[in-house]
Amino acid sequence: DGGITQSPKYLFRKEGQNVTLSCEQNLNHDAMYWYRQDPGQGLRLIYYSQIVNDFQKGDIAEGYSVSREKKESFPLTVTSAQKNPTAFYLCASSTGHNTDTQYFGPGTRLTVL
Amino acid sequence: QQQVKQSPQSLIVQKGGISIINCAYENTAFDYFPWYQQFPGKGPALLIAIRPDVSEKKEGRFTISFNKSAKQFSLHIMDSQPGDSATYFCAASIKDSSYKLIFGSGTRLLVRP
Repeated sequence: DGGITQSPKYLFRKEGQNVTLSCEQNLNHDAMYWYRQDPGQGLRLIYYSQIVNDFQKGDIAEGYSVSREKKESFPLTVTSAQKNPTAFYLCASSTGHNTDTQYFGPGTRLTVL
Repeated sequence: QQQVKQSPQSLIVQKGGISIINCAYENTAFDYFPWYQQFPGKGPALLIAIRPDVSEKKEGRFTISFNKSAKQFSLHIMDSQPGDSATYFCAASIKDSSYKLIFGSGTRLLVRP
């Protein structure tokens, strides 16, 4: 099966702890993206990567970090500096052209206790 | 300038009716306009997309109408079905080096049986 997998589906974190969300794709896509989804606010771009070992900040990168060591993997770390991390996090990938479809994973719901 | 404004926030339609969701933008550099459909607890999936060189695109019961001069585009769902109940997002992207998608805030559609 080709697609994007995200794990875990649900994640609980205590305040002050860093947590890493996994995103893997086997679509051979060059570009990968992380979005945050809050009720009534649509999807906001956190980070994106168009090629291995390179990534750029999106609109709301503060308090987050990423790495892109392999083409198929783009993990997102939510650090303790993120003031309001409770949200639904979505990973996506595409071939990298602007008219290309972004394929989304099933998401990870992060709750800070 | 980078925003895409979407309305209404929520919509209730009777089965068989027409659902209409509207989006507006300011940045004339946008050149690709996709619509995504998202079911609860799932990632969004591409529904239909349009380029500004056409005024309308139809795929089955789903039609995008595009008004370049007014900088508006809309999604029409004909013969709406309960299975269409989902959240719909319009988006736009610019043909620059990033190919980022800018999403609207979403419309929650409920189709009553």
